[in-house]
Amino acid sequence: KQEVTQIPAALSVPEGENLVLNCSFTDSAIYNLQWFRQDPGKGLTSLLLIQSSQREQTSGRLNASLDKSSGRSTLYIAASQPGDSATYLCAVEFRSNTGKLIFGQGTTLQVKP
Amino acid sequence: DVKVTQSSRYLVKRTGEKVFLECVQDMDHENMFWYRQDPGLGLRLIYFSYDVKMKEKGDIPEGYSVSREKKERFSLILESASTNQTSMYLCASSRAYGTGGGEKLFFGSGTQLSVL
Repeated sequence: KQEVTQIPAALSVPEGENLVLNCSFTDSAIYNLQWFRQDPGKGLTSLLLIQSSQREQTSGRLNASLDKSSGRSTLYIAASQPGDSATYLCAVEFRSNTGKLIFGQGTTLQVKP
Repeated sequence: DVKVTQSSRYLVKRTGEKVFLECVQDMDHENMFWYRQDPGLGLRLIYFSYDVKMKEKGDIPEGYSVSREKKERFSLILESASTNQTSMYLCASSRAYGTGGGEKLFFGSGTQLSVL
């Protein structure tokens, strides 16, 4: 069964700290992986998309890496801010050209001032 | 920026009612999706569509149907609402896939549906 797992479910850090969120998936034959942010009661916002042929993507203070052989992706957030507090979800498309994503349960991040 | 608009933010319906959830996107995207999000279960795909009048079942289509008569609009229909369909419903859209290895998914703000 194709699954996506995110551990821990919740994380609390002081402002300014660099942090890493983890995502693991069961099948290395992925098409792409996306990281999303979700604020309470809201929809999801796509942060970064990593294609199967890529190793990492960067946007501002965010850097996402992909290691297909180990079935892992990480989202690195540099110099965290209280505004980064949200739930971060990882989603994997396991087959090409379907658009069907399998989502992890998410990591809820709290950045304390 | 892409805008995906869901017609209702909160909706309360009674068991057995027919419920329509509407979603409109303004970026000429070919692909549209309906997910539901439940605590402890995460996001699960209900239906998706690659083009007008086309639809594909997702992982949990039972009890739902969809309609896509125009490219920009994708409707989710609960033929006879039940209490286990109480959930947050999220619509999303993306461009058609070429050879680039995938497209970002853009979500609406969601509709919190309560079935009493």
